[in-house]
Amino acid sequence: GENVEQHPSTLSVQEGDSAVIKCTYSDSASNYFPWYKQELGKRPQLIIDIRSNVGEKKDQRIAVTLNKTAKHFSLHITETQPEDSAVYFCAATLSGGSYIPTFGRGTSLIVHP
Amino acid sequence: EPEVTQTPSHQVTQMGQEVILRCVPISNHLYFYWYRQILGQKVEFLVSFYNNEISEKSEIFDDQFSVERPDGSNFTLKIRSTKLEDSAMYFCASSFTGTLDTIYFGEGSWLTVV
Repeated sequence: GENVEQHPSTLSVQEGDSAVIKCTYSDSASNYFPWYKQELGKRPQLIIDIRSNVGEKKDQRIAVTLNKTAKHFSLHITETQPEDSAVYFCAATLSGGSYIPTFGRGTSLIVHP
Repeated sequence: EPEVTQTPSHQVTQMGQEVILRCVPISNHLYFYWYRQILGQKVEFLVSFYNNEISEKSEIFDDQFSVERPDGSNFTLKIRSTKLEDSAMYFCASSFTGTLDTIYFGEGSWLTVV
């Protein structure tokens, strides 16, 4: 099955700095890669996703890049703010059949004011 | 915006007791899921449900777990005889289609087994 590795496990940045979280996946057939943000005690919420026919996608301060050859994808947050502090999970999944994303272990992002 | 709702938000139970966690998926969604997240760890898939039957399940979803859609709106997860290691946040989720679609998570039910 799919295996998703996520790094780093914790990331501490100063407000205004950029943050990058990286994930690798094992199944080359995976073609959908969502990112979830989970604030303390809350549900995971989708913040951005990318499909395998796209190399990069941007939404305001958040961007995601995908390198299919290397089987890795990254989340980039620019101009970080304290409210960006949360755990971020990447996931990978295969289209067809049930939608069962395999999650990474999560990155705890702390943005210091 | 429609939401997946879950009850209870927190439940404490004695080891060996049965627990039922309830979920109301988004009304026009067809696929339903349960995930588990042990404190500080990643979200783990338990089971998916479509057309009134289990479509996939993980190794975690053993004989002590069962799911049911008893009526047109509720989706339940039953743990027959709880163990200490079942303590976790259980997330229900739903999606409209089963492929390349976003999953909407509920707020979670925090289960503590003592």
